[in-house]
Amino acid sequence: DIQMTQSPSTLSASVGDRVTITCRASQSISSWLAWYQQKPGKAPNLLIYKASSLQSGVPSRFSGSGSGTEFTLTITSLQPDDFATYYCQHYLDSSRTFGQGTKVEIK
Amino acid sequence: EVQLVESGGGLVKAGGSLRLSCAASGFTFSNAWMGWVRQSPGKGLEWVGRITTTTYGGIRDYATPVKDRFTISRDDSKNTLYLQMNSLKIEDTAVYFCSTDWEEYSGRQGAYWGQGTLVTVSS
Repeated sequence: DIQMTQSPSTLSASVGDRVTITCRASQSISSWLAWYQQKPGKAPNLLIYKASSLQSGVPSRFSGSGSGTEFTLTITSLQPDDFATYYCQHYLDSSRTFGQGTKVEIK
Repeated sequence: EVQLVESGGGLVKAGGSLRLSCAASGFTFSNAWMGWVRQSPGKGLEWVGRITTTTYGGIRDYATPVKDRFTISRDDSKNTLYLQMNSLKIEDTAVYFCSTDWEEYSGRQGAYWGQGTLVTVSS
């Protein structure tokens, strides 16, 4: 199975900061990667699909990049509503592994 | 408006069975690949499995921890997705989410999610 590794596990940042989260796949997944935001007690919310396509309705401060085995999610100017946990997920083959998550906390 | 509503969660003893349902509306369910994802208390998201459309053969794939114990099925006439869980273990305790899976034309994955249903497995 393809393993997904996110870093960091926790990130402390302030409103207005530029934030980058990394996700690495154990083998090439081309661009078959999604990013989600999850807040406590809520379902995940799709932010980015196919590594860099912005989901409709998601603010443009969110962006995704990468292909192959290394991917990044960037938030250009962190807003109060962005404090949450972020997950990557591959969907290359018949499995759909998630990364372990990155919690973005208030500094 | 797309809606996914899970039901069927509850308390069950280890070794028991439970069937979850996910009622879909607001989109053409028969054209949608669908999946289940779970989240144990305080933990991250864990993919459980998915089912393709009938056009793609209704193929089901599962994560290793649930293979041979869980079965995903769909009833396109009722716009409903199911998760049959047998031989339940304490470590299956989690909130179970249904979601849309891969969309062929857009390439999206996981665009829509239900609110989740809690399954608690006791000893």
